[in-house]
Amino acid sequence: GQNIDQPTEMTATEGAIVQINCTYQTSGFNGLFWYQQHAGEAPTFLSYNVLDGLEEKGRFSSFLSRSKGYSYLLLKELQMKDSASYLCAVRLYNTDKLIFGTGTRLQVFP
Amino acid sequence: DSGVTQTPKHLITATGQRVTLRCSPRSGDLSVYWYQQSLDQGLQFLIQYYNGEERAKGNILERFSAQQFPDLHSELNLSSLELGDSALYFCASSGPLAGGSDTQYFGPGTRLTVL
Repeated sequence: GQNIDQPTEMTATEGAIVQINCTYQTSGFNGLFWYQQHAGEAPTFLSYNVLDGLEEKGRFSSFLSRSKGYSYLLLKELQMKDSASYLCAVRLYNTDKLIFGTGTRLQVFP
Repeated sequence: DSGVTQTPKHLITATGQRVTLRCSPRSGDLSVYWYQQSLDQGLQFLIQYYNGEERAKGNILERFSAQQFPDLHSELNLSSLELGDSALYFCASSGPLAGGSDTQYFGPGTRLTVL
């Protein structure tokens, strides 16, 4: 079966750094995606990792370790607008399907 | 704005009824995906079409069906609706290569409420 785990909720302070972890056990792997989703809105693409290592995009970075089945999303200089759910999704090998975790709801406080 | 459009934005209907949700992919994208998101669950993959053909199926109920038309827009048909079908339904598109590394971009969703 496919299993993707993320913490359910996290809180942080404006200006701080937060790391959201994702572990996965899937039958085959062909990339890991992070999406941001504000309540009731569409998921928006943040980052994509297919090889081990760190991908940096402005205030957002994502890391992948395929041998450990582990990824994290790092958000720096947190802003109030970063309060949202963050979804980890794995694409299975030889397919376009995405398997999503249940998401991590991040609340940023002033 | 992702470039993926979905209509309607909201839909309220009764149990036993049938509804059709519509999706237009981004210009140039050949793949369309349908997802269901219930309150207590994550995004659940339903079905994928690539250039008019069904490519992958997820946990889609037999009461649900979909198709992709020659102009690449897609429709998701939900019939014999039950209270538990109330959810957000998202369409996503990617392309143009099937099985490639293309990112899926999501539409704004249709909120379905079954009373």
